Amino acid sequence: DTGVSQDPRHKITKRGQNVTFRCDPISEHNRLYWYRQTLGQGPEFLTYFQNEAQLEKSRLLSDRFSAERPKGSFSTLEIQRTEQGDSAMYLCASSLASLETQYFGPGTRLLVL
Amino acid sequence: AQSVTQPDIHITVSEGASLELRCNYSYGATPYLFWYVQSPGQGLQLLLKYFSGDTLVQGIKGFEAEFKRSQSSFNLRKPSVHWSDAAEYFCAVGPRGSQGNLIFGKGTKLSVKP
Repeated sequence: DTGVSQDPRHKITKRGQNVTFRCDPISEHNRLYWYRQTLGQGPEFLTYFQNEAQLEKSRLLSDRFSAERPKGSFSTLEIQRTEQGDSAMYLCASSLASLETQYFGPGTRLLVL
Repeated sequence: AQSVTQPDIHITVSEGASLELRCNYSYGATPYLFWYVQSPGQGLQLLLKYFSGDTLVQGIKGFEAEFKRSQSSFNLRKPSVHWSDAAEYFCAVGPRGSQGNLIFGKGTKLSVKP
């Protein structure tokens, strides 16, 4: 399978704990995006990278959230001191800089108890 | 403000019937336009996209969409719905000329009656 992969697919944590999600983009794609989707809503943009540089961050990305893409390949999204409001599906997408189409992974569903 | 409106939250159609899902957008200039489909608990699959040229675009699974600049609309259609089309459909817009984030509508859930 050469699509976008995400790990884990599901995560249950207690309020106040830290969690980290991983995204592996399609291998030749140099752009990588993170979105958050809550129940009954469309995905909302969080941040994106071109290679290892983080080029844009949404206001939704509070200081408890941090994303990295250290070698321009996979990316991690960490949430510190999780809150119940962080419960959502976290989606990763990737694209080629020369093309305008984003391809999405299966998502990581987070539940904060 | 940039936004995407999908006015129908939930639509039910009979198998074999035709389908039209509505999408209107508000954007500073003509954006790139996309339709994605999401099955329960899954990520999003691209159905089709419009960048330029012919305003009627064909996608996968027999879907098509028509861009109407005057109405700021990009409605999705399928002439004959199959039970496997039951899913949630999202319209999205993105900026031209540079890669940026997509703005999504809230989605339309499609149910198919046998």
